Amino acid sequence: GAGVSQTPSNKVTEKGKYVELRCDPISGHTALYWYRQSLGQGPEFLIYFQGTGAADDSGLPNDRFFAVRPEGSVSTLKIQRTERGDSAVYLCASSRTGEEDTEAFFGQGTRLTVV
Amino acid sequence: QKEVEQDPGPLSVPEGAIVSLNCTYSNSAFQYFMWYRQYSRKGPELLMYTYSSGNKEDGRFTAQVDKSSKYISLFIRDSQPSDSATYLCAMIDSGGYQKVTFGIGTKLQVIP
Repeated sequence: GAGVSQTPSNKVTEKGKYVELRCDPISGHTALYWYRQSLGQGPEFLIYFQGTGAADDSGLPNDRFFAVRPEGSVSTLKIQRTERGDSAVYLCASSRTGEEDTEAFFGQGTRLTVV
Repeated sequence: QKEVEQDPGPLSVPEGAIVSLNCTYSNSAFQYFMWYRQYSRKGPELLMYTYSSGNKEDGRFTAQVDKSSKYISLFIRDSQPSDSATYLCAMIDSGGYQKVTFGIGTKLQVIP
């Protein structure tokens, strides 16, 4: 596609429920990143995939958060037992390679609201 | 103390003004410095990318990096209403991939 696509754009869920957020990166991009942006804050790193493997998941806040990228393209961020504090915009980005000097392109984000 | 400090604003300027945005950082391992623009309800988009200390110019935008002072700046000349957005400074260390640390963002409004 032309850019990074994230679905859904908005998700409202009840506390305690399970949610899945999807990211379709730019075709051919091997690196994929997830960030979380809370209201009035800058994005915070969650996880980095190089191909199918999670090369750095140090930003995942706890074991309720998990992400996969089984075929090295689409990625899904999974959140179990959602809490109100999980409410934020979840951003996905992809880049051609993972190297520092290649531009990462962001999607428009999924706005998650836990009620 | 946060690794990256940025004044959240808001900053309001008249059209045509020169805008100065800046960030300070504490982590000496940061080697790559960027500025992103984020419109409301959109993802960040890369504006400027610099590696070394000094100036980099692109059209109306100039990025400055002073590694000795751990201070980076973005200047916008002849500001336009379409420049109204949140500007995020961002940095990467030399870890070999793009694990980006962002500032909080400065909200800019350019008044016609």
